[in-house]
Amino acid sequence: DIQMTQSPSSLSASVGDRVTITCRASQSISTFLHWYQQKPGKAPELLIYSASNLQGGVTSRFSGSGSGTDFTLVISSLQPEDFATYFCKQSYSTPYTFGQGTKVDIK
Amino acid sequence: QVQLVQSGAEVKKPGASVKVSCKASGYTFTSYEMHWVRLAPGQGPEWLGIINPSVGSKTYAQRFQGRVSMTRDTSTNTVYIELSGLRSEDTAVYYCARALSSYHGMDVWGQGTAVTVS
Repeated sequence: DIQMTQSPSSLSASVGDRVTITCRASQSISTFLHWYQQKPGKAPELLIYSASNLQGGVTSRFSGSGSGTDFTLVISSLQPEDFATYFCKQSYSTPYTFGQGTKVDIK
Repeated sequence: QVQLVQSGAEVKKPGASVKVSCKASGYTFTSYEMHWVRLAPGQGPEWLGIINPSVGSKTYAQRFQGRVSMTRDTSTNTVYIELSGLRSEDTAVYYCARALSSYHGMDVWGQGTAVTVS
């Protein structure tokens, strides 16, 4: 199975901050990497698909980059509604696997 | 609008089975793969498997082989997951989620079904 390692596991940030979350795959996954946001009690929501493509309806504050084994999610200017947990997920091969998550909370 | 509506919460005893449904509406049911993902408290999401509603083909995560079964009913646009031999570690919220392909990610999710094994 492909292991996905996210960092950091949690971070505290202020509104307006630029936030960077990284995800590393245990082997090359090309660009089959997706980012999701989850808020308490809600289902995850797709933010970025295939490493760098913004999902329709998602604010352009979110951007993704990377290929191979190293990927990054950036929130350019953190807003109150962005405090949530973020997961990466690979769909290069089954079983699809997720990172352990990055919880972003208010400093 | 596009939505996936799941069945309600379940409480099961160890060793029992649970069957969760996911009814799709607002799109062509057979055009999207359907995945099942679970989230347990304090853990990252876990992928259980995928079913192709068009042809009924399935791929299960190896660690659930023999315990999981996914089916679909094209007459009602519903997919099902059944998990047998339940243990306390299966306590989680189970989600269905559709994806156009492995390139596109899971763009619509059900509301989740809490399964408690106790």
